[in-house]
Amino acid sequence: DQQVKQNSPSLSVQEGRISILNCDYTNSMFDYFLWYKKYPAEGPTFLISISSIKDKNEDGRFTVFLNKSAKHLSLHIVPSQPGDSAVYFCAARSEGTSGNTGKLIFGQGTTLQVKP
Amino acid sequence: NAGVMQNPRHLVRRRGQEARLRCSPMKGHSHVYWYRQLPEEGLKFMVYLQKENIIDESGMPKERFSAEFPKEGPSILRIQQVVRGDSAAYFCASSHGPNTEAFFGQGTRLTVV
Repeated sequence: DQQVKQNSPSLSVQEGRISILNCDYTNSMFDYFLWYKKYPAEGPTFLISISSIKDKNEDGRFTVFLNKSAKHLSLHIVPSQPGDSAVYFCAARSEGTSGNTGKLIFGQGTTLQVKP
Repeated sequence: NAGVMQNPRHLVRRRGQEARLRCSPMKGHSHVYWYRQLPEEGLKFMVYLQKENIIDESGMPKERFSAEFPKEGPSILRIQQVVRGDSAAYFCASSHGPNTEAFFGQGTRLTVV
């Protein structure tokens, strides 16, 4: 039961262009969404998040968009840089029946390659 | 301000042995989460602990796996009688609380031979 899905395993873009990473979810109880970046042999690093009461959050080159009706979120990186090359995970958090435990449900990840 | 520290970084165990993975949370953090990443997959939640308490273990396999977070010392994820399918990267994360950002360690890569 994959509640958070990243349907594109990989994405390749040219340096300076926009990277758009997509994520879909099925659980309408999710109320907070996060994007993490991961380099090989390292742990995930928090990038940006968005609450379900918002539809957009921006931080420098990174913007996350949330479409609740479509249960879809996306991460935009503009302009893309070679150092952005990594695996990107979207994750969701919900207030479950036991309260908010902070448990994150991760997607499978999308490998982004930014070519110089 | 040291981040989340996990050790060892790499662990090799023969089938049937025990694996002990350690996680020291960031200073001031009393909430610890363990996740497992199998090859080509995302991270899967295993267990959430606060000091001396297991809050949510809904992602833990029913047998062979246990976790603790004692009053003093690191959190320990223990896998008894390891099997090849336990080979994975195990990540620990810590936070101030369930509504605050969680910071991840670099992970322990367990290989069962």
